[in-house]
Amino acid sequence: SQTIHQWPATLVQPVGSPLSLECTVEGTSNPNLYWYRQAAGRGLQLLFYSVGIGQISSEVPQNLSASRPQDRQFILSSKKLLLSDSGFYLCAWSRDLADTQYFGPGTRLTVL
Amino acid sequence: AQSVAQPEDQVNVAEGNPLTVKCTYSVSGNPYLFWYVQYPNRGLQFLLKYITGDNLVKGSYGFEAEFNKSQTSFHLKKPSALVSDSALYFCAVSAGYSSASKIIFGSGTRLSIRP
Repeated sequence: SQTIHQWPATLVQPVGSPLSLECTVEGTSNPNLYWYRQAAGRGLQLLFYSVGIGQISSEVPQNLSASRPQDRQFILSSKKLLLSDSGFYLCAWSRDLADTQYFGPGTRLTVL
Repeated sequence: AQSVAQPEDQVNVAEGNPLTVKCTYSVSGNPYLFWYVQYPNRGLQFLLKYITGDNLVKGSYGFEAEFNKSQTSFHLKKPSALVSDSALYFCAVSAGYSSASKIIFGSGTRLSIRP
């Protein structure tokens, strides 16, 4: 069976510090991978998605970047965090862009 | 372009009563439709999906949803609500495999079940 991991689970960072969130998927190959941000327990904002190693599509221009160094690893980064980067970050995977996405447990980021 | 709408920010239901969480969509061609549930500080959990076939889809935790093509709706239902059903529910849609389109999510509906 497939599992998806995210770490860390929670993170408190000062403004201007760097960020690295990691997501890994087990039990499948060549998944589509996604990063979402959720503010205040409401809607999802798609940040990035990837259909393969080194292939990143950005949905919203902002302070963040994503990389996919390995088939089942997806990393969300920032060089300098802003207060507005606070939120709940969710990673997901799917076999097909149009089909079911399966979500990780999330990372709660607080920027102070 | 595809879109999905959840017209109610919050739905309040008494335990034991039937519940409905509404979802409407707009997509070219035949839609793929999904429902997810999110508990506090957790990732989204997949509940059910419609791709083709029977318009009534059954999913996890006793939930079901009915695909209505003429009304472009995919409402989530449960015959008897439990307090533990209280959570945030998301509807989602894609335009299907042939379209190479991604899933897009609705804004979410908070379901509150009172004892």
